[in-house]
Amino acid sequence: EAGVVQSPRYKIIEKKQPVAFWCNPISGHNTLYWYLQNLGQGPELLIRYENEEAVDDSQLPKDRFSAERLKGVDSTLKIQPAELGDSAVYLCASSLLAEETQYFGPGTRLLVL
Amino acid sequence: AQSVTQPDIHITVSEGASLELRCNYSYGATPYLFWYVQSPGQGLQLLLKYFSGDTLVQGIKGFEAEFKRSQSSFNLRKPSVHWSDAAEYFCAVASNDYKLSFGAGTTVTVRA
Repeated sequence: EAGVVQSPRYKIIEKKQPVAFWCNPISGHNTLYWYLQNLGQGPELLIRYENEEAVDDSQLPKDRFSAERLKGVDSTLKIQPAELGDSAVYLCASSLLAEETQYFGPGTRLLVL
Repeated sequence: AQSVTQPDIHITVSEGASLELRCNYSYGATPYLFWYVQSPGQGLQLLLKYFSGDTLVQGIKGFEAEFKRSQSSFNLRKPSVHWSDAAEYFCAVASNDYKLSFGAGTTVTVRA
């Protein structure tokens, strides 16, 4: 069974540029998560989807971050415009249901110059 | 709100020696507890989880953890570490809405 797929794996951009990350969850998993992991820290939840509905986006900085999960499968996380402080690893995870184990992708490492 | 403290930022252990990683949580109700491992450049992999029942939980790769409610702890142990166990380890607690809160992690270095 394929795991959670994320792309790109690495991204370098200049500040004020837009950037987008893509996530393909494990087939059949209804719940999808985006996490932010700063260097030396544990992941922090940005947004959680159940199917195509964002059920928890309280930690998503909505002035510059947006996310979507069309058709309840793949998801895209966007930052526009990016700031230096956005340099981090962005992890996607999925689970069959919210109460089930979360499986993580390898992450996208973003560097904003 | 729930939170997790991992007191040790970095631990160095000799190959074949035992390993114990500490985790303390704060949560008002019965917690759901997890240990994840992250190798360099990789995502997080679940080692084990505690929801209820037996307080000694067995996981993958020879790891086990013990839930102690009186101490608000969920320490991870392995009797004999292998060089491949070098990684970063995260303890996490989930609230009753299944939202995970992670600790800052403990980096494990294994020396030959």
